Formats: sequence, structure tokens, C-alpha cells
Amino acid sequence: QQQVKQSPQSLIVQKGGIPIINCAYENTAFDYFPWYQQFPGKGPALLIAIRPDVSEKKEGRFTISFNKSAKQFSLHIMDSQPGDSATYFCAATSNTGNQFYFGTGTSLTVIP
Amino acid sequence: NAGVMQNPRHLVRRRGQEARLRCSPMKGHSHVYWYRQLPEEGLKFMVYLQKENIIDESGMPKERFSAEFPKEGPSILRIQQVVRGDSAAYFCASSPRGAGTQYFGPGTRLTVL
Repeated sequence: QQQVKQSPQSLIVQKGGIPIINCAYENTAFDYFPWYQQFPGKGPALLIAIRPDVSEKKEGRFTISFNKSAKQFSLHIMDSQPGDSATYFCAATSNTGNQFYFGTGTSLTVIP
Repeated sequence: NAGVMQNPRHLVRRRGQEARLRCSPMKGHSHVYWYRQLPEEGLKFMVYLQKENIIDESGMPKERFSAEFPKEGPSILRIQQVVRGDSAAYFCASSPRGAGTQYFGPGTRLTVL
């Protein structure tokens, strides 16, 4: 059973556009939600993370929006650039758990 | 501070051979996680270890796969009698504490001929 559901599977936007990637979870014990960025041939790198005590977090051009009641969170990339083309994974875990549960990934392509 | 290191980066094995993948966590990190990634797929959890202990191996196949994280030295993921279906990228991540932020290594790409 997929603990974290991620959509869309792939996304193509023009440079300057705002791609949005969505994730949903069921386990209300989850209390930490990171996003990872992965370039081809590389390992995933932590991009930004949020805890459920806030509804939004911004770091540079990257923003996480969090809706606790809907059990959903999303990544927005402002003013997207071709260099943002990568695969993005959301994840979730709980303070008492052992595992990170990853979404299936979204392949983002930003067209110049 | 060096990041998570994995070696080898690429490994080619013939069917039936053994594959041994190594992971050195970030300095100060005593928690190690192994994941498998197939092309165009997400990260599948395999095993979570602390020094000298396997904490959670629920994602690891019960046969042919084993993992260890000794008191000294890197964590090792061992795959015995490899089959073509084992071909994948294997990533290691480390964390300073359980359920803390995980930092990934560059991965080992295993190809089974």
C-alpha cells in the first residue's frame, strides 16, 4: 500500500511557469514532510521540508503548502528554470517511526 | 564535512555472482537506510540499520539479500546469487537520529548480465 501518493507522474512547463506537484497521505502520525530533488545519475538531495504546525514554507523559489485537514501537501516552484528539470520526490515520516515513505516521483521538464 | 559515500558507483555482475555494496554515512550519523530504485520508479525502502543492529528490514527480500552496519567500517548491502531483476540503483542514506532528515549518497548502479 502506497503510504504517500504523488501526482502528476510527469510535468512539462515553460520557463518562468509555476509547476505544482501534489502529495497526499493517510497516516495522521506523520509529522515531517520533506521534498527531494534528483538529477539523472545522482542521489536525491533534500530540497525543502515542512512540519504540520505551519501551512506554508518558502526557501528561495521553492514553496511547500501544507493542508493538515486534507492530509495534503504540495511543492510550488516559482519562476521555473531549465536547471530545475529533475525528478522530485515527496516523503513523509513520523517522529516515532523508522521509515521515510516516498512518493513515486514527478519528472519535471522546464522548456527554455 | 564529507557527504554520504557509496562505492562502487557502478558494479557489473554475472548471474549467480555476489554483489557487495558499501556505504559510509556522514560524520556523526549512526543511522543508515538502504533503498532500491528501478528506472522510472520511486525509492523503495529496503532496510534501516544502526551500528551493529538491524532496526527494520521489512523492505528487504527474505532470500539472497542481507545488510550489516558493523561497529567499525561502512554499512554493507550484500546480494548473493544475483539475478537480472536485481539490476537497479541502490541508494544509501544516513541520518543523525531515527526519523531525522536523511541525506543520500550518489548510489551504486548494479547491472546483472
